[in-house]
Amino acid sequence: QVQLVQSGAEVKKPGSSVRVSCMASGGTFSTYDFNWVRQAPGQGLEWMGGIIPVFGNAKYAQKFQGRVTITADQSTSTAYMELSGLRSEDTAVYYCARSPGIAAAGKSYYFDHWGQGTLVTVSS
Amino acid sequence: EIVMTQSPATLSVSPGERATLSCRASQSVGRNLAWYLQQPGQAPRLLIFAASTRATGIPARFSGSGSGTEFTLTISSPQSEDFAVYYCQQYDNWPGTFGQGTKVEIK
Repeated sequence: QVQLVQSGAEVKKPGSSVRVSCMASGGTFSTYDFNWVRQAPGQGLEWMGGIIPVFGNAKYAQKFQGRVTITADQSTSTAYMELSGLRSEDTAVYYCARSPGIAAAGKSYYFDHWGQGTLVTVSS
Repeated sequence: EIVMTQSPATLSVSPGERATLSCRASQSVGRNLAWYLQQPGQAPRLLIFAASTRATGIPARFSGSGSGTEFTLTISSPQSEDFAVYYCQQYDNWPGTFGQGTKVEIK
């Protein structure tokens, strides 16, 4: 069965960057859409961006444009999310989430598999 | 960007009492609507997609309905593990957007 295993918790200083990984097993990696969704403490879910590994080009939510980079390594079935210019408001749990297919142009998709989440704490 | 609004913010129900959660979209999303359950300290879990299709392994006590801009998730007889937070998500438009969540608590 599909499993998404994320890297461990991080504590970062304001202004620095963080990179979170998500290793997929149990299914084909390259032709699914891997996304990143974050959740600030006590708050709701916020989609950040996603990538289809076989295509390689990532899409980002406007809010995070210029600060987030999502990549995928097909050789290790691992997706990565790097967020730069960290500030205290970026303290959150970051989830990777896989869609069951590739959405049509202009559409999005739901998420049928989720990683366990990675807590990123930004503090001086 | 489509705005999803869930109501109520908190729903208090007795175990076994039917729970009805609402989700409204700022414009039509057809039936491209999903529901998720998030238990404390856990990742969200897909319950429903395409407005009314239960995901693999989801019990029949969960049902979804609606289309266009108005959607409902019904839990026919909530069990202890169902007291958690529920999110709706539209995926008809890019980017997909979530509602702010409804917390279902024990009365």
